[in-house]
Amino acid sequence: GESVGLHLPTLSVQEGDNSIINCAYSNSASDYFIWYKQESGKGPQFIIDIRSNMDKRQGQRVTVLLNKTVKHLSLQIAATQPGDSAVYFCAENNDYKLSFGAGTTVTVRA
Amino acid sequence: DAGVTQSPTHLIKTRGQQVTLRCSPKSGHDTVSWYQQALGQGPQFIFQYYEEEERQRGNFPDRFSGHQFPNYSSELNVNALLLGDSALYLCASSLFEGAQYGYTFGSGTRLTVV
Repeated sequence: GESVGLHLPTLSVQEGDNSIINCAYSNSASDYFIWYKQESGKGPQFIIDIRSNMDKRQGQRVTVLLNKTVKHLSLQIAATQPGDSAVYFCAENNDYKLSFGAGTTVTVRA
Repeated sequence: DAGVTQSPTHLIKTRGQQVTLRCSPKSGHDTVSWYQQALGQGPQFIFQYYEEEERQRGNFPDRFSGHQFPNYSSELNVNALLLGDSALYLCASSLFEGAQYGYTFGSGTRLTVV
């Protein structure tokens, strides 16, 4: 079946280091992917997106990489800050609905 | 510019009861989608409303129903509540023609069924 999943449920990173969060998807027909950040008690917040005709897209301190050959997506956060502590989800958009993975909990150590 | 507003923020219901959750979309958006997020899981798509009709539906039983009003706001109704319905219910709004490019989520309603 179609699914979007993350490789690791938790990630601990030192403040100032770079973070890499991975995601694997199974629907090769997917053409649009989104990374969301969810803080405790809040709804998912848009971070960055990428379409399937792109391999890389950069935002402010964040980069998303898409490898369609192995159906893999990653989110890189540069110079991780305490405010980056949250749960991160990748989501796949198909037929105007989002399919989410289970999420990766990022904890930033001071 | 107000984002997506959901009410109530928290709710406790007894098994077998019925519940109604409400959502006001972001200004300029005409489409509302509902998601259920169990503790420790990613959100699961319930259904989507556009032009006051259900356009898409996920794998949820008929106990879950919804409605969209002319002002684009929406309600989610759940009948015959089960303990397993305890979750965070999220509303996401978007512009139908550009749904690929802009979903905005509310903070959710935390439903606890006892």
